[in-house]
Amino acid sequence: ETGVTQTPRHLVMGMTNKKSLKCEQHLGHNAMYWYKQSAKKPLELMFVYSLEERVENNSVPSRFSPECPNSSHLFLHLHTLQPEDSALYLCASRRQGTDTQYFGPGTRLTVL
Amino acid sequence: KNQVEQSPQSLIILEGKNCTLQCNYTVSPFSNLRWYKQDTGRGPVSLTIMTFSENTKSNGRYTATLDADTKQSSLHITASQLSDSASYICVVIPLYNQGGKLIFGQGTELSVKP
Repeated sequence: ETGVTQTPRHLVMGMTNKKSLKCEQHLGHNAMYWYKQSAKKPLELMFVYSLEERVENNSVPSRFSPECPNSSHLFLHLHTLQPEDSALYLCASRRQGTDTQYFGPGTRLTVL
Repeated sequence: KNQVEQSPQSLIILEGKNCTLQCNYTVSPFSNLRWYKQDTGRGPVSLTIMTFSENTKSNGRYTATLDADTKQSSLHITASQLSDSASYICVVIPLYNQGGKLIFGQGTELSVKP
């Protein structure tokens, strides 16, 4: 295991639902990331948090809302999603000053 | 066009055989190039890390090569095992890297059959 956990591992939701994805890292890192992974496409960076402040929002629709209450936890709040948002959502963390990101196992999201 | 292109998109080989995966990139200048392995239902895990000045790096049966002149990297897997079945992702880290951004390839899906 990489020291980064994500819950839930699988999520099925309707377009009108509100749900949240959770990421937790036990590595003492101070930067955290949300990625979207769709089939046969490169990982897409969604959000970057450094020292609990959002430093990047990569043109992500407002129906995705991140939250980083502390350096160990990262949430992705989901609201009014579309079927094309179905994908694997990966969380990663990094210690600033290094390049290596450690990934969680991901949440497989299906939007009906 | 993606800055990191991988080929083939998918590959099926028999257990015990060798294979080579390719990665072409345009990211320049870059700090280092990595190969990640992503098992089904898991997040990517780093296999090899090469700086721009390194030509080769091994990790067990995995050997990565880098040609900075042609901007190509390859990952060679020797004596494949069923557990090698996974997606292999080439990742380039730009030299001037704000926020620790990684540039990902789309991955090669490897399937090792008995």
